[in-house]
Amino acid sequence: GAVVSQHPSWVICKSGTSVKIECRSLDFQATTMFWYRQFPKQSLMLMATSNEGSKATYEQGVEKDKFLINHASLTLSTLTVTSAHPEDSSFYICSAWRGGGYEQYFGPGTRLTVT
Amino acid sequence: GNSVTQMEGPVTLSEEAFLTINCTYTATGYPSLFWYVQYPGEGLQLLLKATKADDKGSNKGFEATYRKETTSFHLEKGSVQVSDSAVYFCALFGGGSEKLVFGKGTKLTVNP
Repeated sequence: GAVVSQHPSWVICKSGTSVKIECRSLDFQATTMFWYRQFPKQSLMLMATSNEGSKATYEQGVEKDKFLINHASLTLSTLTVTSAHPEDSSFYICSAWRGGGYEQYFGPGTRLTVT
Repeated sequence: GNSVTQMEGPVTLSEEAFLTINCTYTATGYPSLFWYVQYPGEGLQLLLKATKADDKGSNKGFEATYRKETTSFHLEKGSVQVSDSAVYFCALFGGGSEKLVFGKGTKLTVNP
């Protein structure tokens, strides 16, 4: 149980285009989903926290107009990278949390390459 | 703010060697502490956790003890296997913040 999926697992897009990444909790309802960015050989950086039905809370330094997050249901959150640039190339990881004493469950990540 | 410092890698060991990966933290209050593992090409998996001082988390032969007096949560395993090759992240949650704060990760390679 407690499986989180991400789609796609990897994507290549051209500079200036937008790309959407989906994060789904497959067998539980997640009140909160988190989006992280991981640079090569570095730790995970929290980008934003999203609660179902409300606006995401972005971390300092993360452009909310560039990284659009939608948490439309208790099992789905999406991250859209708008007008992508090569510096947005990274590994994006989501996690889902049902709150309380439960742990966060992580998706397998999405590797984005912007050419 | 809260922070986690873990030993820099990479760490390379022979099979059956003893493993220690150091982790110390800074936080207000009483955070929960975690070790996550990331195998090549995969997402993070929770390896073990401890929620209060002197708790020992253990899983798959790995252990870590929550030491409040030294603000540490060092990961140990008595005999590593090739299949343990992965990146290990120490993390904390709570201590005044409802966010997971990660260390930078330590890459472990175990050679046969």
